[in-house]
Amino acid sequence: TQLLEQSPQFLSIQEGENLTVYCNSSSVFSSLQWYRQEPGEGPVLLVTVVTGGEVKKLKRLTFQFGDARKDSSLHITAAQPGDTGLYLCAGLFYNTNAGKSTFGDGTTLTVKP
Amino acid sequence: DSGVTQTPKHLITATGQRVTLRCSPRSGDLSVYWYQQSLDQGLQFLIQYYNGEERAKGNILERFSAQQFPDLHSELNLSSLELGDSALYFCASSPSWGATDTQYFGPGTRLTVL
Repeated sequence: TQLLEQSPQFLSIQEGENLTVYCNSSSVFSSLQWYRQEPGEGPVLLVTVVTGGEVKKLKRLTFQFGDARKDSSLHITAAQPGDTGLYLCAGLFYNTNAGKSTFGDGTTLTVKP
Repeated sequence: DSGVTQTPKHLITATGQRVTLRCSPRSGDLSVYWYQQSLDQGLQFLIQYYNGEERAKGNILERFSAQQFPDLHSELNLSSLELGDSALYFCASSPSWGATDTQYFGPGTRLTVL
């Protein structure tokens, strides 16, 4: 069974602080996605990373894919209350021949004003 | 708006009943995926269809079945419902089925079994 581990599980910070959340696996990803989900809504895609070592930026969010493609991080600079939500990583593993994504359990982020 | 639509948004039913959830993928997408999200188990992959054929199967119970129609919309059928089936059910779609395909999620159907 291929598992994704996300950490931390919960994170509560003040507005303006920086934070990093992590997504790790013992298996190699062919691609990895980060999603943000609000309560009662579907996950919304933030980014897809494919190449080892890849760094992508989306405004205050920076996504990094590990060189070995087994891990990824999401860094948020100067967090705002609007960043509050569940952040999920999802991986397509290299030895999977179908689009069967495995999701982590997510990091629940709360940004207090 | 991801372009994936799901109906109904909410569904309340009783144990032992059968329900059908419907999903329309984004225009041009050939793959449809079904996920179950409950409080204690996170997002669990159920099943994937590609261009009308079953492509991958996850943790889908025998009481559950799905199909994808020629117009590419999909239905998830849940029968002999139990209290533990209460959850959010998400549909996602992608252009193909490959290992680098990104999935776009619909808004979900919240199923409550009483």
